[in-house]
Amino acid sequence: DIQMTQSPSTLSASVGDRVTITCRASQSFNTWLAWYQQKPGKAPKLLIYKASSLESGVPSRFSGSGSGTEFTLTISSLQPDDFATYYCQQYNSYTTYTFGQGTKLEIK
Amino acid sequence: EVQLVESGGGLVQPGGSLRLSCTASGFTFSSHWMSWIRQAPGKGLEWVANINQDENKKYYVESVKGRFTVSRDNAQNSLYLQMNSLRAEDTAVYYCARASDLRLWGQGTLVTVSS
Repeated sequence: DIQMTQSPSTLSASVGDRVTITCRASQSFNTWLAWYQQKPGKAPKLLIYKASSLESGVPSRFSGSGSGTEFTLTISSLQPDDFATYYCQQYNSYTTYTFGQGTKLEIK
Repeated sequence: EVQLVESGGGLVQPGGSLRLSCTASGFTFSSHWMSWIRQAPGKGLEWVANINQDENKKYYVESVKGRFTVSRDNAQNSLYLQMNSLRAEDTAVYYCARASDLRLWGQGTLVTVSS
């Protein structure tokens, strides 16, 4: 099974900062990688799919990139609403999905 | 409205059973793979199971194999998770989600396994 290692686990940043979150896979796969945002008490919200495709309605300050074993989520200019927890997920095969451990984005 | 609504969570003793339901509306349920995903209190997301449209392909995370069974009723637009031999570590919010595109999740239902 593919394991996903997400870093950092916690990130402190300020409004207006550019931040990057990384997910590394234990083995290479095609671009079936998604990024989610989750706020307390809420279901995750899809931000990015197929590694770099922006979900409809998601602000363009969010972007995804990568292939093979390394993938990144970048927020170009943090807004107050962006402070949340972020997860990557590989969905290379329906036989098993795997999430990263999560990155909590905190206000500095 | 396109949505998924889970139900059936609650408090159960270790070793007990519980059946979760997820009712879909606003889209063609029978056309989609579906997932169950859980989140223990204060922890990250963990995929639990996937089921295909015809119910002839089912996949589980190792920790629930032999204890949990995913099923569906396309006529009722419903997804189910039968959970047996429950353990304290199964305590979590359980979400159903549309596996084929990942963009639709329910609001979750809390399962607490405790004596």
